[in-house]
Amino acid sequence: DAKTTQPTSMDCAEGRAANLPCNHSTISGNEYVYWYRQIHSQGPQYIIHGLKNNETNEMASLIITEDRKSSTLILPHATLRDTAVYYCIVKDSGGSNYKLTFGKGTLLTVNP
Amino acid sequence: NAGVMQNPRHLVRRRGQEARLRCSPMKGHSHVYWYRQLPEEGLKFMVYLQKENIIDESGMPKERFSAEFPKEGPSILRIQQVVRGDSAAYFCASSKEPGTEAFFGQGTRLTVV
Repeated sequence: DAKTTQPTSMDCAEGRAANLPCNHSTISGNEYVYWYRQIHSQGPQYIIHGLKNNETNEMASLIITEDRKSSTLILPHATLRDTAVYYCIVKDSGGSNYKLTFGKGTLLTVNP
Repeated sequence: NAGVMQNPRHLVRRRGQEARLRCSPMKGHSHVYWYRQLPEEGLKFMVYLQKENIIDESGMPKERFSAEFPKEGPSILRIQQVVRGDSAAYFCASSKEPGTEAFFGQGTRLTVV
């Protein structure tokens, strides 16, 4: 799986959009970008994933650059409950690739 | 639709005792994964199971750890003769198909005293 690079930490004001970047310059054509988050003392929570098109769901939007070497997770209106460690994971979505390789992620702190 | 259920949420064991951690996957999911998160470290894959089969246990310590997912009932992660270094949060995840999005439980926090 391709390696990802994320900032160690970010701050965001409550109510504002949180934009979390992720670099994955060695991503290959069949690898997806997945985002999970882990709120303190809880299990990781699936957020969204995409291949090359931008994706949106009720939680977030995922913007993937045209060359697929980087992506941004957008939380449109951050709340205090969005404070968590956010993990960007690149992996093949085929049946042989079921392991999630968690790095250190980005600690997002949403401030009142 | 209930999520992944793990129990107990907290487990305290004395050194040398056995720890049994249970995981019931989401309804309709037959693929179960166990991860461990040591204090101040990231989540590490331990084992992948389907009903009655261990598919990949490459992340499991060679001794004292075992996992099963019987035809009926929850998946069990068993740690024999626990040591202080086993103290960690153990998370279970499940998916409908291998490689698709996995959903995690709230974890079992094991403390060995």
